[in-house]
Amino acid sequence: GQQLNQSPQSMFIQEGEDVSMNCTSSSIFNTWLWYKQDPGEGPVLLIALYKAGELTSNGRLTAQFGITRKDSFLNISASIPSDVGIYFCAGQRRAGGTSYGKLTFGQGTILTVHP
Amino acid sequence: EAQVTQNPRYLITVTGKKLTVTCSQNMNHEYMSWYRQDPGLGLRQIYYSMNVEVTDKGDVPEGYKVSRKEKRNFPLILESPSPNQTSLYFCASSFRGRPAFFGQGTRLTVV
Repeated sequence: GQQLNQSPQSMFIQEGEDVSMNCTSSSIFNTWLWYKQDPGEGPVLLIALYKAGELTSNGRLTAQFGITRKDSFLNISASIPSDVGIYFCAGQRRAGGTSYGKLTFGQGTILTVHP
Repeated sequence: EAQVTQNPRYLITVTGKKLTVTCSQNMNHEYMSWYRQDPGLGLRQIYYSMNVEVTDKGDVPEGYKVSRKEKRNFPLILESPSPNQTSLYFCASSFRGRPAFFGQGTRLTVV
């Protein structure tokens, strides 16, 4: 099955720095999602993007849905130690088909923040 | 509280011994699915269900079975587990077209 290309695979940054990660796909998605996974927990939704070109913020997080519908990025500003975790992008296709609920995930970006 | 509940959280078993991982959601979601998470591969869908008695294969269904007899429950069955099924498993549920809620995960080790 298809997977998304997510980069970077890992990041080691100092507290206060900004972070940027992105996802690309060879096919179109109608929805892009960004999840965060803390150790020992399931993924938790951070941001959902539903329109091409959409730019959405959630506190220090900003994500964009690429114009081509084949990519998305996530920025975290002024990182703090609790930002540590694994960040996943996920693409979802339009409701109505048999695969409407399926999420296709990137490989994840492991973020480490040094105090 | 809206949640997806998986049990058990941790399981160590031996090759060939049938096991079931349960999943239950209290949000009346129609869509439920199972994913496995392996290092460097992200999450990959095993099986999904669009409603009661409607299930279908995801990307990596070999060695797994599911059933959906009630809307809230979606158990994952491993009839004859093998070591390559050692992984972290997540159940998820959603409304049509909306983002999925995930359970806390089940870490399975098959020896």
